[in-house]
Amino acid sequence: KAGVTQTPRYLIKTRGQQVTLSCSPISGHRSVSWYQQTPGQGLQFLFEYFSETQRNKGNFPGRFSGRQFSNSRSEMNVSTLELGDSALYLCASRGPGLAGVNEQFFGPGTRLTVL
Amino acid sequence: QQPVQSPQAVILREGEDAVINCSSSKALYSVHWYRQKHGEAPVFLMILLKGGEQKGHEKISASFNEKKQQSSLYLTASQLSYSGTYFCGTEGGSGNTGKLIFGQGTTLQVKP
Repeated sequence: KAGVTQTPRYLIKTRGQQVTLSCSPISGHRSVSWYQQTPGQGLQFLFEYFSETQRNKGNFPGRFSGRQFSNSRSEMNVSTLELGDSALYLCASRGPGLAGVNEQFFGPGTRLTVL
Repeated sequence: QQPVQSPQAVILREGEDAVINCSSSKALYSVHWYRQKHGEAPVFLMILLKGGEQKGHEKISASFNEKKQQSSLYLTASQLSYSGTYFCGTEGGSGNTGKLIFGQGTTLQVKP
């Protein structure tokens, strides 16, 4: 099975712009979560989508939004970018794994730099 | 709400053992352990479920004390490849969602 894929891998934007990141989960996985990772704050949960519905949400401002399509692919959008949005954005899909329970697998991430 | 990991960092020689702890103030459904190497995504190591089930891929072990809401990851006979940052991710409620709350990480360095 192919793993979680994310595009693009690297992105440079300027303050005030908006950005859209894409994630394709493992085939058969219906849950897709997004995380922000920074040196100062660590791994922080943004939101989770399951069957095209947002099921969980973290403590991020409304500038961060997402959606999920019928094929489980997900996109995350950040509007009005701020310098503090520079981070590694990780997508994770959850579903049956080798261990026999629902495991969560991460994609390689999108490194966003805001100038 | 964020689980607390200890220690923050540990340095080992090959073959030595290490224990990484993860403690939460909330009732937990499951604890997930990941290892992340520099510049790479976190890699799943193990999941511990309420009720004592433990599932993992690698030759490592872990425990989950439901009463204390604590989990420990045991790395025995460490290898150079064990180096990286270890994160515990906790899940509350009825579980089985994609929402994990991660600890701040424990950096492990294994030296020859």
